[in-house]
Amino acid sequence: DIQMTQSPSSLSASVGDRVTITCRASQGIRNDLGWYQQKPGKAPKRLIYAASSLQSGVPSRFSGSGSGTEFTLTISSLQPEDFATYYCLQHNSYPQTFGQGTKVEIK
Amino acid sequence: QVQLVESGGGLVKPGGSLRLSCAASGFTFSDYYMSWIRQAPGKGLEWVSYISSSGSTIYYADSVKGRFTISRDNAKNSLYLQMNSLRAEDTAVYYCARVGPRGDFDYWGQGTLVTVSS
Repeated sequence: DIQMTQSPSSLSASVGDRVTITCRASQGIRNDLGWYQQKPGKAPKRLIYAASSLQSGVPSRFSGSGSGTEFTLTISSLQPEDFATYYCLQHNSYPQTFGQGTKVEIK
Repeated sequence: QVQLVESGGGLVKPGGSLRLSCAASGFTFSDYYMSWIRQAPGKGLEWVSYISSSGSTIYYADSVKGRFTISRDNAKNSLYLQMNSLRAEDTAVYYCARVGPRGDFDYWGQGTLVTVSS
């Protein structure tokens, strides 16, 4: 199975801050990676697909980059509605595996 | 718009069974692969099972293999998960999700809670 190591597991940030979350795959997954946002009591919502493509309707302050084994989700200017938990997902091979999650909290 | 609505969750004793359903609308259900994903209380996301558009190809996570069965009825636009021999560690919110053209999950239902406890 491909292991996805996500870091950090949590972070505290202020509105307007630039935030970066990283996922590392245990083997190469090309660009078969998505990023998801989950708010308490809600289903995850896809933000990024194919490592760097923005889901329709998602604000442009979200961006993704990377290929192979190293991937990054960046929020360029954190907004109040962005406080949530973020997960990466590799779908290069079964079983599809998620990172452990990054909880973004208000500083 | 795409809608996925799960049902069938509830409280069940260890060793018991439960059948989850997911009603799909807003897209041509028979064109898409579908998956079940779960989330234990306070924990991360775990992929559970996948079924191809025709139902001919199915995968399971090792943690549920031999106990859970995924199926679909394209005429009814519905996805199912039959869960047998349930264990306490199966307690989770179960989400159905559409597998998008890229192979990841582009739409999710709101989830249904399964609690396995005596």
